[in-house]
Amino acid sequence: AQTVTQSQPEMSVQEAETVTLSCTYDTSESDYYLFWYKQPPSRQMILVIRQEAYKQQNATENRFSVNFQKAAKSFSLKISDSQLGDAAMYFCALAPSGSARQLTFGSGTQLTVLP
Amino acid sequence: ETGVTQTPRHLVMGMTNKKSLKCEQHLGHNAMYWYKQSAKKPLELMFVYSLEERVENNSVPSRFSPECPNSSHLFLHLHTLQPEDSALYLCASSQVLQGVREKLFFGSGTQLSVL
Repeated sequence: AQTVTQSQPEMSVQEAETVTLSCTYDTSESDYYLFWYKQPPSRQMILVIRQEAYKQQNATENRFSVNFQKAAKSFSLKISDSQLGDAAMYFCALAPSGSARQLTFGSGTQLTVLP
Repeated sequence: ETGVTQTPRHLVMGMTNKKSLKCEQHLGHNAMYWYKQSAKKPLELMFVYSLEERVENNSVPSRFSPECPNSSHLFLHLHTLQPEDSALYLCASSQVLQGVREKLFFGSGTQLSVL
């Protein structure tokens, strides 16, 4: 079994500031993928960033970057220069590589961006 | 717009009704998924259809019945639901190549209320 834990149900950040969302996970797989998804009020889940576990280099996508600590099973998301449009629910997720189905989500962190 | 369309966006039904949720993907993907999103709980995978297999979460009650007539269309048939089935039902699709799943693309969901 695999689990994903997001311990921050809610976070807030001032516009233009930086915020970090936490995620820890547990899996017995040696090869897996980690994801951060964003769900704005439109409800559509959008992939923000993806990290392959075999890669030591942290993934980055523009203002979004991750801090992947494999030994600690930690996968945090850093949002730099926060914008009002970043306000959403953020979900951390884990999937074993080679699996077409076992994507496990955390319970989410609601991010508010303050003007 | 991610290429995954769900209808209806909202649905209210009584416990004795029979209704169906529809999902259509225009991305040429070969796998489709149903997820259930309840308030303050992680997304729960209900069903997966891919080229090779149909996968069910054994905890999903039989009052939910999926149908996948082709690789572009996915239905979720509902009958004699309970109030605790009220949730957001998300459809997703992905391309699976040699067992490796590329990223999921989600629809905007159907918000279901069971009275």
